[in-house]
Formats: sequence, structure tokens, C-alpha cells
Amino acid sequence: DTGVSQDPRHKITKRGQNVTFRCDPISEHNRLYWYRQTLGQGPEFLTYFQNEAQLEKSRLLSDRFSAERPKGSFSTLEIQRTEQGDSAMYLCASSLQGGTHQETQYFGPGTRLLVL
Amino acid sequence: ILNVEQSPQSLHVQEGDSTNFTCSFPSSNFYALHWYRWETAKSPEALFVMTLNGDEKKKGRISATLNTKEGYSYLYIKGSQPEDSATYLCASLYSSASKIIFGSGTRLSIRP
Repeated sequence: DTGVSQDPRHKITKRGQNVTFRCDPISEHNRLYWYRQTLGQGPEFLTYFQNEAQLEKSRLLSDRFSAERPKGSFSTLEIQRTEQGDSAMYLCASSLQGGTHQETQYFGPGTRLLVL
Repeated sequence: ILNVEQSPQSLHVQEGDSTNFTCSFPSSNFYALHWYRWETAKSPEALFVMTLNGDEKKKGRISATLNTKEGYSYLYIKGSQPEDSATYLCASLYSSASKIIFGSGTRLSIRP
């Protein structure tokens, strides 16, 4: 297993366009997390899935953001009508459920989004 | 508002010296504390997960301690090496996944 992968690694888009990012977790991991990180800040939690169910969403996740994990494996994060404030690094992490959220999360390399 | 503070923001250390930095977090409803190392252009790498007051974890030259009553954790690096240069993030976990709160990180640079 090569770990968590994310695609694309970089995305430049114009304001108002839609973008979609993909995350492939470690294959046996049933939990998948999305985070957003801006310069000088730590990652901010956006949402998480347990298998295909989206169980938690941050207030940071506006109506323009949607995430799916249709078969409980890979996940997509879509941003509609992008704004310059959406420019950030979007990180995905996965973990194997241990009954709590104390288990180690394994991160992907992130997708860096720049909205012009 | 839950806020995790890390200090210092950045640190320059001479190769061979030992160093430490701090993660402060709200102790109410605390669940777990994670430490990560994030090297430039790589994925954040998990170092430790700690849950109990007084926990101490060690991985090679890196160790961490946890005080859940006063809400802080220390990360120690003994005999710093250039490959230790990275941003060290801590994340505090509360009663639900939506309460995973990361600090802003400590950026460590090791001078050869």
C-alpha cells in the first residue's frame, strides 16, 4: 500500500469555476477526513466519513462545498463557484476505526488550490 | 471557542543541540492529543497519540509528554539533526470528530 493519495496535487482556477478533488485512502481504512490549511495556520477540520456515511461537517463547510464517499473507498470534495478565499491546501487523511478517534490519521500530500 | 496554541512559532537550533516546544490546549472534555511532523512537500507524518494524563511516548530521539489537567504537551528532540527540520503540529481531540483542533505548528530549522 502506498498510503493516502490525492489528485490533483495543484489546481489553479478562475473565480466562479467549480473544482473537484479526489482522495484515495489506505485501502482498509474506514474513516476518511478532509481538512483545509491556509498559510501560517494549522489544518482546519472540514468533514469526516465513516465508510460511506458523512458523519460530521464543520461550520466552515459552506453550501458551496460538498463531499462524497459513495462506495466507502475514495472520496471527492467539490467546491462550486470558487472564491479567492477558497485558496488553500486541502488535506485528506484516513484511519482505521478503533472505537474512538484516538487512532492515528494518515495524511495525503494535499491538493493546493489557487483561485485567481 | 476551542483554541490550540503552539510555541514558539519558529525555532532555529544548532545541530547536536536538544530542543523542546509546547502545545497548549483546553483541558475540558479532552479526548486525545496527536503530534505530527510535516516536512515541506511531504504529507504530515504521525508521531504520537496520547490520551492519559502523565503519558510519555518516545520514538528514537523524539519524545513527548502529556498533562491533561493543565492542558499542555511537550515535544522533545534530543541531539537535533538536519533531518529533524520540519513543522511540528499538535492536534487536540475532544468529544467528537468535529472537535479535532490543530495548532499552527512550530517550524523547526536545524543549522548544520
